[in-house]
Amino acid sequence: QSVLTQPPSVSGAPGQRVTISCTGSSSNIGAGYDVHWYQQLPGTAPKLLIFGNTNRPSGVPDRFSGSKSGTSASLAISGLQAEDEADYYCQSYDSSLSHVFGTGTKVTVL
Amino acid sequence: QVQLQESGPGLVKPSQTLSLTCTVSGGSISSGDYYWNWIRQHPGKGLEWIGYFHNSGSTYTPSLKTRVTISLLTSKNQVSLKLSSVTAADTAVYYCARGIYDSSGFYQDYWGQGTLVTVST
Repeated sequence: QSVLTQPPSVSGAPGQRVTISCTGSSSNIGAGYDVHWYQQLPGTAPKLLIFGNTNRPSGVPDRFSGSKSGTSASLAISGLQAEDEADYYCQSYDSSLSHVFGTGTKVTVL
Repeated sequence: QVQLQESGPGLVKPSQTLSLTCTVSGGSISSGDYYWNWIRQHPGKGLEWIGYFHNSGSTYTPSLKTRVTISLLTSKNQVSLKLSSVTAADTAVYYCARGIYDSSGFYQDYWGQGTLVTVST
C-alpha cells in the first residue's frame, strides 16, 4: 500500500466538476516535495497531466488543474467529459521510500 | 517526438532474471539531461516506481534495490532493466519512462506502451 492515499473512485455527470485528493504526510507532501498527476486511459500507458503541483504540459486542457496544501494535493477536473473516464495517479517523493505513486483513483462519468 | 518501446520475454521462470530493454527514438539517452525510469503495474493494481538511471548514478526503490539493475546501452540508445530472483509477485506490466528533474520536481514526461511479463513455470 502506498504512502500517498487517494479515494478509490469518484464519479460525476458530464459537465460537472470533480476533485481527487492525494493525502500524504510530513515525510512526503508535507515536507515540501512537489506533486505530479498522471492520467491512465483504459488499456494505455500513463500520461503526464500535471507537474510541479499546478503546471500543465502542452496539450493538456485547462479543465485539469492541480493544487497542493499542507500534507495533501488535489486534482480538479471541471466540465467533466466522457473522455476523462480513466485512472488518475498522484506522484511525489518520500524521504524513506524514494519516489512513490498514489493508490490511484478511477473516475467514472455517469 | 520522443518515443519509447519496451521489449523482452513475456514469460520468465521463477528464480530466473527478468531482462527488458527500452528502445528510445527521437533523442539520445546519453545526453545526460534526463533520468531513465522503469515503472511497473501489477495486474489490476496501481503504479510502482522501480528506479532510474542517470549519469550521476542510479536510484532504486528500497523494496527492490537488492535485485534490480538499470543501465544504459548507449550504442543502441536503449535502457536496460534486470530483476533477479523473480517470483510470481513480479508479474506485471513494465513501463519505461523518461524522467525530468527540475525546479518542478521529478516526474516522467514520456512513457512507453508497456510490456507484460508473467513469472510462471
